[in-house]
Amino acid sequence: GAVVSQHPSWVICKSGTSVKIECRSLDFQATTMFWYRQFPKQSLMLMATSNEGSKATYEQGVEKDKFLINHASLTLSTLTVTSAHPEDSSFYICSARDPLAGGPRTQYFGPGTRLTVL
Amino acid sequence: KQEVTQIPAALSVPEGENLVLNCSFTDSAIYNLQWFRQDPGKGLTSLLLIQSSQREQTSGRLNASLDKSSGRSTLYIAASQPGDSATYLCAVIYGGATNKLIFGTGTLLAVQP
Repeated sequence: GAVVSQHPSWVICKSGTSVKIECRSLDFQATTMFWYRQFPKQSLMLMATSNEGSKATYEQGVEKDKFLINHASLTLSTLTVTSAHPEDSSFYICSARDPLAGGPRTQYFGPGTRLTVL
Repeated sequence: KQEVTQIPAALSVPEGENLVLNCSFTDSAIYNLQWFRQDPGKGLTSLLLIQSSQREQTSGRLNASLDKSSGRSTLYIAASQPGDSATYLCAVIYGGATNKLIFGTGTLLAVQP
């Protein structure tokens, strides 16, 4: 089946620094990738939809200047948390849609990245 | 507003019991519904996907049903095992151009040996 990887799996950073998280589709080309955030004991909330070669679409309440998304190729999307603060500490999960398999709206999820901002 | 709710929020059962997890959604015009499993600190594992035209899907000891008209889905787990302990999430995708998955609140399941 389709595999999506994320790197790093966990990261600790100081407040005010920027952190980049990568999401890769390993065996398929993903025209669309999604970024979710999950706070402790809460469900996943969609942050933004990333389309290859175009600007990301952000959900209401998500600051696009703080969470920079770049979908530079059909297998890679990156999420950069700029000037991170402790309240940004969360579990970030990406997913990718394989347009050739699993139905037109099936998403494959990465293993997640745990971000802790000190 | 499109919302997905799961009850119960947490459930503890002894090993071997059959159990049902519930999911309800406010807007019945869904494209499909998916059930996921999430282990602590991990990503999501897709369990079952039900298209809007389907009534149920089965995989091993899992059976998911869908009633669009009432905005409900259930996940039935037969003969539960300690390894089934995890958080179970349901998520819906609506029709149209969007591919957004709207997740439910989750049910934390603990199966006691």
